[in-house]
Amino acid sequence: QVQLVQSGTEVKKPGASVKVSCKGSGYTFSNYGTTWVRQAPGQGLEWMGWISALNGKIIYARKFEGRVTMTTDTSTSTAYMEVRSLRSDDTALYYCSASTTVAWGQYWGQGTLVTVSS
Amino acid sequence: EIVLTQSPGTLSLSPGERATLSCRASQSVTSSYLAWYQHKPGQAPRLLIYGASNRATGIPDRFSGSESGTDFTLTISRLEPEDFAVYYCQQYGSSLWTFGQGTKVEVK
Repeated sequence: QVQLVQSGTEVKKPGASVKVSCKGSGYTFSNYGTTWVRQAPGQGLEWMGWISALNGKIIYARKFEGRVTMTTDTSTSTAYMEVRSLRSDDTALYYCSASTTVAWGQYWGQGTLVTVSS
Repeated sequence: EIVLTQSPGTLSLSPGERATLSCRASQSVTSSYLAWYQHKPGQAPRLLIYGASNRATGIPDRFSGSESGTDFTLTISRLEPEDFAVYYCQQYGSSLWTFGQGTKVEVK
C-alpha cells in the first residue's frame, strides 16, 4: 500500500534552517508530485508548494518564495523541503502529500513537528 | 487569490445524524479542482472528495459532495463515531492551493 514516511521531530533556533524528508513507497514515485502543507498550533492548513518528480517543475506559495526549497531524489523515492531563516511562527506540523495531480493531495505523510525556539 | 469560507465553524451533532458542511468561494472555482479532507488530531489529513463530488478510494458512501455555483457542500448522511473530526475544503487555481478555515464536527 502507499506510504509516505516523514523524518522526525526537529527543534531549531531562530535563523537556522531545517530540512524535512518524505519517503514514498507503494507507488511509482517518478509519476507523482509532492505537495507540502503546514499547520501551526491551533491554526488551519496552509499550502507551501508543490514539486513534480516527473519533470522537476516547482510551484511555491508566494509567501515562501526565496525561503523554501523543494527537491526530489527519484533514486530513493524521497522528497525534501528546506526552510531557511526560521522564525518562531514557522513552528508547525509539516505534512507532505503525494498525488498524480497538482490539484489535490491523494496520500499523506504522518507529519513532522518543527519547533523554532530560542 | 480565491478565498474559501467554511460554515459553520463548529457543528455539534449526535452519531446517526446528518451533517451538512458548507464551503463558499469568493469567486468562480473550477469544480474539478475542489477537494474535501478529514483531519483528526495527530493524524494525517485524509482525502475524502475530489472534483467536488467524487469519492476518493476507500471512502464510505455516507460521504458525498455537491456544488451549486460558488457553493460547495460536504454531506455525511449518518455520522459514525469515527467521523467526528475537522473538515477542510481546498481548491486549486492560478497555480496555488487555498484551504477553507475548517469545520469541526463534534459530539453533541
